[in-house]
Amino acid sequence: GQNIDQPTEMTATEGAIVQINCTYQTSGFNGLFWYQQHAGEAPTFLSYNVLDGLEEKGRFSSFLSRSKGYSYLLLKELQMKDSASYLCAAMDSNYQLIWGAGTKLIIKP
Amino acid sequence: DTAVSQTPKYLVTQMGNDKSIKCEQNLGHDTMYWYKQDSKKFLKIMFSYNNKELIINETVPNRFSPKSPDKAHLNLHINSLELGDSAVYFCASSPGTSGPQETQYFGPGTRLLVL
Repeated sequence: GQNIDQPTEMTATEGAIVQINCTYQTSGFNGLFWYQQHAGEAPTFLSYNVLDGLEEKGRFSSFLSRSKGYSYLLLKELQMKDSASYLCAAMDSNYQLIWGAGTKLIIKP
Repeated sequence: DTAVSQTPKYLVTQMGNDKSIKCEQNLGHDTMYWYKQDSKKFLKIMFSYNNKELIINETVPNRFSPKSPDKAHLNLHINSLELGDSAVYFCASSPGTSGPQETQYFGPGTRLLVL
């Protein structure tokens, strides 16, 4: 079956760095997406990886290892506004997104 | 200049009623989706339409019927509402159906509460 695993909740301190991990099992693979969802709001796109390696975009970076079925989202210089759920989603061979349940990130002052 | 819009934002109704949720996108995208996000926060795909044609129809009760009058609109009609239908329903759109350009853009969600 197809499956996405990510931690349910993480806590970090303002100004610090946090890494949110995601492992996936899909029928075929056409890329890995990270979305951010603030409470009560819609998910918004953060990043897309289809090749192995690290993609950096400002304070956020996303890493992919296709051989390990593994990705992480790295958030640097954490701000209070980064408190949100972070959703990992893998695209299968039919270009359908398989979603994880999300990691709720709590930022403390 | 809202990209993906949904109405209503909140919907409170009684069991057994029939209700509709509307979605419109002004991004010129070819593909639209309906998702259900339950209390455990899983996003579950329900339907996907590409150029008004149904391409994904997950295991969803046939009380749920999507309708796409044109590629910019995808409405969701729900018959005989049940308590378990209470959730947030998100509409989304993407340029096409394949490739990295398939970033999905989500509407603000419709919070449905069935009493």
